[in-house]
Amino acid sequence: NAGVMQNPRHLVRRRGQEARLRCSPMKGHSHVYWYRQLPEEGLKFMVYLQKENIIDESGMPKERFSAEFPKEGPSILRIQQVVRGDSAAYFCASSAITGGNRYNEQFFGPGTRLTVL
Amino acid sequence: GESVGLHLPTLSVQEGDNSIINCAYSNSASDYFIWYKQESGKGPQFIIDIRSNMDKRQGQRVTVLLNKTVKHLSLQIAATQPGDSAVYFCAEKGRGSNYKLTFGKGTLLTVNP
Repeated sequence: NAGVMQNPRHLVRRRGQEARLRCSPMKGHSHVYWYRQLPEEGLKFMVYLQKENIIDESGMPKERFSAEFPKEGPSILRIQQVVRGDSAAYFCASSAITGGNRYNEQFFGPGTRLTVL
Repeated sequence: GESVGLHLPTLSVQEGDNSIINCAYSNSASDYFIWYKQESGKGPQFIIDIRSNMDKRQGQRVTVLLNKTVKHLSLQIAATQPGDSAVYFCAEKGRGSNYKLTFGKGTLLTVNP
């Protein structure tokens, strides 16, 4: 049973280019979460998606960043017109459906390390 | 504001010793805590969790202690091995949410053979 998959593992972009990060959740999981990790920092929540729906994007920068999780295919985190400050590791996690306030255990992928030159 | 932080950014121990990694949190409304291990170049890996209605939980070679009075969380690793070398993060979940985690900055544990 494959875990959460992310690609590419490493991505280099020049300032002003676009970055597309892909995440395939674990089999049977329909919830996807994106986190950003700056060097020597903890993970910061960005966005929570279910299929075709953005549930919580409170951690997403207001400009240049967008995320989607289409009915078919992986979740995509898109960063337009990248700047050097976007350089970070971006992690995707997925979870199954649970109810109420019980924590939905999140399983993390290996991350995409974005470097902006 | 809400924050989850760690007392020590680095910890170096000898193989076979016990390790203790500490974490302070400020959100008294958090009801669930998790310790993650992150090896170089990999994503966070779940180690152990604890709910706010508990003060201690044990796993295989790991124990988590929760002191709600002083808002302190610790991870104890018994008989530390070289394979335990990694960055360890504590994370908290606020009451009323079933997904949003707040992570601390991490402690780098180095195990010397």
